[in-house]
Amino acid sequence: DTEVTQTPKHLVMGMTNKKSLKCEQHMGHRAMYWYKQKAKKPPELMFVYSYEKLSINESVPSRFSPECPNSSLLNLHLHALQPEDSALYLCASSQDLSGNYNEQFFGPGTRLTVL
Amino acid sequence: AQSVTQLGSHVSVSEGALVLLRCNYSSSVPPYLFWYVQYPNQGLQLLLKYTSAATLVKGINGFEAEFKKSETSFHLTKPSAHMSDAAEYFCAVSGLQGAQKLVFGQGTRLTINP
Repeated sequence: DTEVTQTPKHLVMGMTNKKSLKCEQHMGHRAMYWYKQKAKKPPELMFVYSYEKLSINESVPSRFSPECPNSSLLNLHLHALQPEDSALYLCASSQDLSGNYNEQFFGPGTRLTVL
Repeated sequence: AQSVTQLGSHVSVSEGALVLLRCNYSSSVPPYLFWYVQYPNQGLQLLLKYTSAATLVKGINGFEAEFKKSETSFHLTKPSAHMSDAAEYFCAVSGLQGAQKLVFGQGTRLTINP
């Protein structure tokens, strides 16, 4: 299985809602990532998990809360988002963070709209 | 600052014509290089990668790229464009800022004219 899956595919939420995005991989990868991608822009790194521990937080607002319950799962909890947070949220995984080689496998993304 | 530059935010070619998408990186040591493709409303799919083996790398869908250290370039080519190649293409580099980060170029939108 060489796939990264993400659910839901689309999500519409109000600014007072709490929702979660889910990402799953069964490739035995030990590094997992969340990216935010606005239209016509490259993905922007948000968080990196290595061996289920948070390795990088790119100064992301606290209304985004990541969680890695096990080596195959990555969640992104959303609360009190703003309309400007509307974007495509991409999950990715890679074997690990050793060395400088970092081939990442991306999921299809969750299209988030904040009303 | 170390970076990746994709020349041309939009490239348009005719069906059957050569595709050339340009990527240059700034680094004092050869990094690891990738080309990803993104179709509308989808995630990123790896086209090919350079990992310091052969300098000419063949990828999926008939694409290839050549690593040129002297020019710090990793341009993507395809001899004959197909309508299905219309997409956004991102060049990316790892090793410039540690293993944790892929540094992406700004992307090039490829349009194919019938």
